[in-house]
Amino acid sequence: NAGVTQTPKFRILKIGQSMTLQCTQDMNHNYMYWYRQDPGMGLKLIYYSVGAGITDKGEVPNGYNVSRSTTEDFPLRLELAAPSQTSVYFCASSLGATGGYTFGSGTRLTVV
Amino acid sequence: AQSVTQPDIHITVSEGASLELRCNYSYGATPYLFWYVQSPGQGLQLLLKYFSGDTLVQGIKGFEAEFKRSQSSFNLRKPSVHWSDAAEYFCAVGDSGNTPLVFGKGTRLSVIA
Repeated sequence: NAGVTQTPKFRILKIGQSMTLQCTQDMNHNYMYWYRQDPGMGLKLIYYSVGAGITDKGEVPNGYNVSRSTTEDFPLRLELAAPSQTSVYFCASSLGATGGYTFGSGTRLTVV
Repeated sequence: AQSVTQPDIHITVSEGASLELRCNYSYGATPYLFWYVQSPGQGLQLLLKYFSGDTLVQGIKGFEAEFKRSQSSFNLRKPSVHWSDAAEYFCAVGDSGNTPLVFGKGTRLSVIA
């Protein structure tokens, strides 16, 4: 099993550009999450989804959008990239509260 | 609201020495508690979890953690640290209602010979 797959691994964007971070899981998990990780700040929740067609905002949703059209995929969209969005982005999935999360390997994004 | 505090930003231990990483949480009901490890350039890997039962839980790689409700703590321990344990460790809290996990800011572990 591949688990949680994130693409791309690295990306440099110019201010104002847009992009989509892809996330796919093959474990049939209902729950999926996007976190961003900044040095010394831990992980902050951007958006999450409890199933196909259902998404909700996390702690830091501004500047991002998500969709969940299938159980497997949970893409994160940046519409107008800003330097403040320079970060490492992690996608994760879980079966439920007791299972813990399975994380992807991350996307390192730099906005210049 | 749930919160997690990891008081130590960086800890250095000698190889073979014991390790304890501290985690304190704030949550009104019974928390679901997790420890994750992140090696450089990698995603997070689940070490262990607690949500009920025996308050001392065993995890992978020889780690264990003890839930102490009276102290709102869930400290991670290992009797003898190996150089490969050098990584960043995150404590996280959730609940039975599938609320997304809240993570601490992490503790970076360095291991010296």
